[in-house]
Amino acid sequence: SAVISQKPSRDICQRGTSLTIQCQVDSQVTMMFWYRQQPGQSLTLIATANQGSEATYESGFVIDKFPISRPNLTFSTLTVSNMSPEDSSIYLCSAWTSGRNIQYFGAGTRLSVL
Amino acid sequence: SQKIEQNSEALNIQEGKTATLTCNYTNYSPAYLQWYRQDPGRGPVFLLLIRENEKEKRKERLKVTFDTTLKQSLFHITASQPADSATYLCALNSNSGYALNFGKGTSLLVTP
Repeated sequence: SAVISQKPSRDICQRGTSLTIQCQVDSQVTMMFWYRQQPGQSLTLIATANQGSEATYESGFVIDKFPISRPNLTFSTLTVSNMSPEDSSIYLCSAWTSGRNIQYFGAGTRLSVL
Repeated sequence: SQKIEQNSEALNIQEGKTATLTCNYTNYSPAYLQWYRQDPGRGPVFLLLIRENEKEKRKERLKVTFDTTLKQSLFHITASQPADSATYLCALNSNSGYALNFGKGTSLLVTP
C-alpha cells in the first residue's frame, strides 16, 4: 500500500489569493490524481498529474486556475489560483500503482475562501 | 452522459443485521467496479474491487456483486457493527482508464 500525506490539512483564504497544496507519497507510484469534493457531493476528478509533463485536465478544469506540478514519482502540488468562495471545498490527492488498480487517498485539504 | 447513482438517503440499521447498498450506472462499460469507505474528515479507503467477469467477491464480512446486464452492484456488510458507520462510495474507471469516477455515496449508520 501507499501512504499519502497532504499539506495543509485545512486553510482559510481570502478571495483573490492562491493556495498550493502538497501531496507526498511514501513510495514511487505510477500515477497521481487530484480530486475535489464539495459538501454533500461526490469526488470530482480535476486532473491527472503527469511526471515530467503537463497535467491532463478534465472538462471544466483549466491549467490557469489549477496549475499542477509533478517533479518526480512521489510528489505533486495543486495550486488553486485567484480563489473565490466557490472554490471552497475539500481537495484530495490520490496515487495509483500499475498492477493493483487501487487508488490510495490522502486525508484531503479542507479549503474555505472568504 | 455517464452516471453513477447510489441511494442518497442514509441507511440506518441495527447492529448485527446485514446492510445492503446499491450502485447503478449508465453509459459505462467498466472493466471493474470498486467500493470505498470514507469517514468524516478522511480520504476514501479502498475496500473491494470486482471485475466485469466476476459475479461476486467476498472479503471477511463484506460481499460485492456485479451484474453487468443490470448495470448494478450490490455491497453487503453482514453482522454489521457500529464501527461500520461511514459513507460508502462506488467507483468506476473513467474514460482515461486509470482515474476513477465516484458516486455520491451512501451514508450508513449502525446503531447498537
